[in-house]
Amino acid sequence: EPEVTQTPSHQVTQMGQEVILRCVPISNHLYFYWYRQILGQKVEFLVSFYNNEISEKSEIFDDQFSVERPDGSNFTLKIRSTKLEDSAMYFCASSEGLAGGPWGTQYFGPGTRLTVL
Amino acid sequence: DAKTTQPTSMDCAEGRAANLPCNHSTISGNEYVYWYRQIHSQGPQYIIHGLKNNETNEMASLIITEDRKSSTLILPHATLRDTAVYYCIVEGGNKLVFGAGTILRVKS
Repeated sequence: EPEVTQTPSHQVTQMGQEVILRCVPISNHLYFYWYRQILGQKVEFLVSFYNNEISEKSEIFDDQFSVERPDGSNFTLKIRSTKLEDSAMYFCASSEGLAGGPWGTQYFGPGTRLTVL
Repeated sequence: DAKTTQPTSMDCAEGRAANLPCNHSTISGNEYVYWYRQIHSQGPQYIIHGLKNNETNEMASLIITEDRKSSTLILPHATLRDTAVYYCIVEGGNKLVFGAGTILRVKS
């Protein structure tokens, strides 16, 4: 069964460093998402992406964050200058999208645990 | 996005049906009801979704009331591996808004 994969599973970085989290969505999916979950808190939406453009972003997704689909298979989240409060699990998701309906069922990857020291 | 209300936690005996309720009284006509679960800190796992009709798949059944203001997720024969946080989400656009969900504990 196709699945979303994410690398690395755990990333440790120093405050102020740049990190890139990588995701390989399900191959025929057209819509891509990033969510994050701070330990003990709710899963929070960060950004949705379609047709090489951001469709929607949350207040969390400020200028320090960017997303890119550098090739036909990868989807990345970059944090330019990490802060302590960026420590969280970051989940990538993708969906096939359905015309005339919702963007389709989102399937999540296993997550990348980011620890900022 | 419509707000949902779920019980904080529920217990279920192994092998019995687990019935998880969700209220979504402000749901609008084009919004779907989605159920996901999260085991430990793993990625949320899709379970089932519906618009108006009841739905069933290999994991669960979804019962949506006629007025669409509430729904129930049914796990027909709960196992210990079904212990997780279950999220009821009303979604009509391009993002999922997660609440606190229901912690389901399946006990032997």
